[in-house]
This record gives sequence, C-alpha cells and structure tokens, in this order.
Amino acid sequence: LAKTTQPISMDSYEGQEVNITCSHNNIATNDYITWYQQFPSQGPRFIIQGYKTKVTNEVASLFIPADRKSSTLSLPRVSLSDTAVYYCLVGDLYGSSASKIIFGSGTRLSIRP
Amino acid sequence: EADIYQTPRYLVIGTGKKITLECSQTMGHDKMYWYQQDPGMELHLIHYSYGVNSTEKGDLSSESTVSRIRTEHFPLTLESARPSHTSQYLCASSGAVYNEQFFGPGTRLTVL
Repeated sequence: LAKTTQPISMDSYEGQEVNITCSHNNIATNDYITWYQQFPSQGPRFIIQGYKTKVTNEVASLFIPADRKSSTLSLPRVSLSDTAVYYCLVGDLYGSSASKIIFGSGTRLSIRP
Repeated sequence: EADIYQTPRYLVIGTGKKITLECSQTMGHDKMYWYQQDPGMELHLIHYSYGVNSTEKGDLSSESTVSRIRTEHFPLTLESARPSHTSQYLCASSGAVYNEQFFGPGTRLTVL
C-alpha cells in the first residue's frame, strides 16, 4: 500500500500558480496517481489522474518525475473559488481493493484576494 | 456531471432512533462506497460494495449496516442512533476504475 505525504496547508493569492506536491516513495509499478478536490460540506471531486510525465486537463496539470516517487498538482492562475482541500491518492486502477483507496488528510489550500 | 444522489441532506434525530441514509446512482456503476467524515477531518471508508449482493466493511469500524439489492441503490442503516454517530456521510460510486470515484452531496447527521 503506497502511503502519501502532502503539506497540511498552503496559502496563495488570486492569479498565482499553485503547486501542491505529494510524496509517495513506495509507489508500485501498477499504481496511478489521482488528485481530488473537496469544497466545504461537499463530497470530493475527481480532478486529474496520471501515471508518468505530464497530464493536463481544463482544471489542472499533473507533473510526475521519472522515478514516480512524487507528483505535483499545478493549478494555474488560482481564484478564490479554488479554496478547498486537495487529496493525493495512489493505487492500482483496476486490481486494487476498495479498502486500499485512502484519501488521507489532504492539503488545505486557502486563496486570498 | 456525475449523477449520484443522497437523501436526506440534513438529518437531526434523537438517540435510539433507527435511520436509513439513501444513496442512488444512475451511472450503472458496479462499485459503491460509504465514507464518514467529521468536519475538517479525513474521509474514512466504512462500507463498500463490488456489485449486487456484495458488501464489505471498510477500514473504519462502524455500527451501521448496508445492503445492495439493486445496482443503483446502496442504503446505509443505523439501527439505534447515538450521539457518537454524528458526522457527515458521503456516498460514492465508480466504474471499473477504483480511483475515479463520483461522490454524492453527503448527508449531515446530528444525533441528539
């Protein structure tokens, strides 16, 4: 089971690029990296997922170095509405048990005007 | 946008009452999950299901029970609610990919 470590909290300002790094030193060959976003009083929402190098969608980019022991979620030009908790998960997409999908504490991102 | 629904959204109930939290999804997903989350705290998996007639307990011990008689429906029941059950309960579902879960809006339960 690949454990992840993320900063507990981060602060930034509107218009800035925010990078949240997640460490997963014990990541297995079949594991993918997935990021979720959770607003207060709501369920988490899937943001992005990747295996290696770089993945980009309309919301964020995910950078994964060659050794895959860490990953960085990049949010371009954040706004106040990006204030949320961000979770990094690591696991086998198809062969894992549901009980191995662990959200952890996440990173509480606060965006200021 | 994913179609997964939870009712009620908020529930305040007295100790000893039996309650059922409803969760339904219209995506045809085989896998469904129940998580418990206190304000500002981690999500903890309490139940999951791989399909009809399949249910398993999650990492966090819970006095609740679940059933999966239909693919789209995964209700959670507390036979006798206690104040320690006060929390937010989140239901989720996924298709073949475990890591890509779609969450409902949650039920915030308060037991007095």
